[in-house]
Amino acid sequence: DVVMTQSPLSLPVTLGQPASISCRSSQSLAHSDGNTYLDWFQQRPGQSPRRLIYMVSNRDSGVPDRFSGSGSGTDFTLKISRVEAEDVGVYYCMQGTHWPPWTFGQGTKVEIK
Amino acid sequence: QVHLVESGGGVVQPGRSLRLSCAASGFTFSSYDINWVRQAPGKGLEWVAVISYDGSKKDYGDSVKGRFIISRDNSKNTLYLQVNSLRVEDTAVYYCTALGYWGQGTLVTVSS
Repeated sequence: DVVMTQSPLSLPVTLGQPASISCRSSQSLAHSDGNTYLDWFQQRPGQSPRRLIYMVSNRDSGVPDRFSGSGSGTDFTLKISRVEAEDVGVYYCMQGTHWPPWTFGQGTKVEIK
Repeated sequence: QVHLVESGGGVVQPGRSLRLSCAASGFTFSSYDINWVRQAPGKGLEWVAVISYDGSKKDYGDSVKGRFIISRDNSKNTLYLQVNSLRVEDTAVYYCTALGYWGQGTLVTVSS
C-alpha cells in the first residue's frame, strides 16, 4: 500500500499570512495514463470532508483561489496564500493512483495563533 | 447539485450487524463508482470499500475484508454497506463519497 506522510501535523498560523502543508508518498503517484491522482481535502470542525484540489492542482468549484496545489512524483504541497478564519480545520491529502486501497495522509490541523 | 445522505448507523454490540445506506441525488448515479470511507472518533480518514458503477466490481480495505459487503441499487440511486461481525474498532462515522462529494456521515458505535 502507498503510505502518505503529511507535515507538519499541526500548523498554527496568523490571519492573513501564508500557510503550506507537505504531503509525501512512498511511491510515485504518476499514473500510466499520464495523470497524477493526488487530492486535498479540508475538514472543518464538526463537518464532513470537502475536496479542495484534485489531480494535484485543480481547484474544485467554489474553492477560493487562495488555495493552490502543486507537486509531482512523490512530493506535493497545499498552499493557502492568506489564511482566513474559515480555513481552520484538518487538511488531508489522498492518493488515488495505486488503488485499492485509496490512502490518506494523517491530517494537518490548521489553527489560528 | 450532488447530494449524498447516509443513514442506518446506531449503537450495536460486538459481533452484530447493521446495514448502512447512502441515498444519492444530483448526478447520474448509475454512471459512477462510489466509495465508503470511515473516520473513528478523533482520528483520520480510512478508505473502506468501493463499488463500480454497475456493481460488477468491488474492493475492500484489509481491515473489513470478509466482514463488510458493499452493494448498490441503481434503480433507487442508493448505495449500501452491510457491516457484519462488528468489532469495537469499527466504531466510526461512515461516509459515502463520489465525484469528490461527501455525505454528512452516519455514526456506528460498537459497544457492549
